[in-house]
Amino acid sequence: KQEVTQIPAALSVPEGENLVLNCSFTDSAIYNLQWFRQDPGKGLTSLLLIQSSQREQTSGRLNASLDKSSGRSTLYIAASQPGDSATYLCAVRKAAGNKLTFGGGTRVLVKP
Amino acid sequence: DVKVTQSSRYLVKRTGEKVFLECVQDMDHENMFWYRQDPGLGLRLIYFSYDVKMKEKGDIPEGYSVSREKKERFSLILESASTNQTSMYLCASSRDSYNEQFFGPGTRLTVL
Repeated sequence: KQEVTQIPAALSVPEGENLVLNCSFTDSAIYNLQWFRQDPGKGLTSLLLIQSSQREQTSGRLNASLDKSSGRSTLYIAASQPGDSATYLCAVRKAAGNKLTFGGGTRVLVKP
Repeated sequence: DVKVTQSSRYLVKRTGEKVFLECVQDMDHENMFWYRQDPGLGLRLIYFSYDVKMKEKGDIPEGYSVSREKKERFSLILESASTNQTSMYLCASSRDSYNEQFFGPGTRLTVL
């Protein structure tokens, strides 16, 4: 059974620092991995989708890397801003089928 | 932009009531999903649908049913609401089995 872990559960950084968020998964047979952002009391916003054949994916200040063999993905957010404060979740999709398995999330606070 | 909407942001019901949660997407997506999100348990898949009138159970289908009569609309039904169904319910859709999932804003359901 796939398990997805995000450590740490919470992170606080001063504005301007780069953020590094970790996601690990136990079964490397994934099709793709998706990073989301969730603001308190709201739904999830898709940030990046990285396919199993890709090593990284970039969008603006965001960069996600994927190392399938070691079961890890990292989301980098450059030059963090207070508006980046949110919970960040990763989710992996099995090689066959629809299901996403979610990590528990990392709650980020960027202090001005 | 993909838009996924949910019929209510907040809902309060009594134990034993029948509850309908509706989700509508406007991008002609094949797949639609219902999740619940609880503190400490993360997001868990209740049901998903990959076509009109087609459905598959997720990880926690007990106490729920779903209906997909039209491609754009996916309903979650609580036949007889119980207090342990108090939760945040999130709907999502995706173009097909392997693409990004896009989420709605969520419905916070309280069962008294």
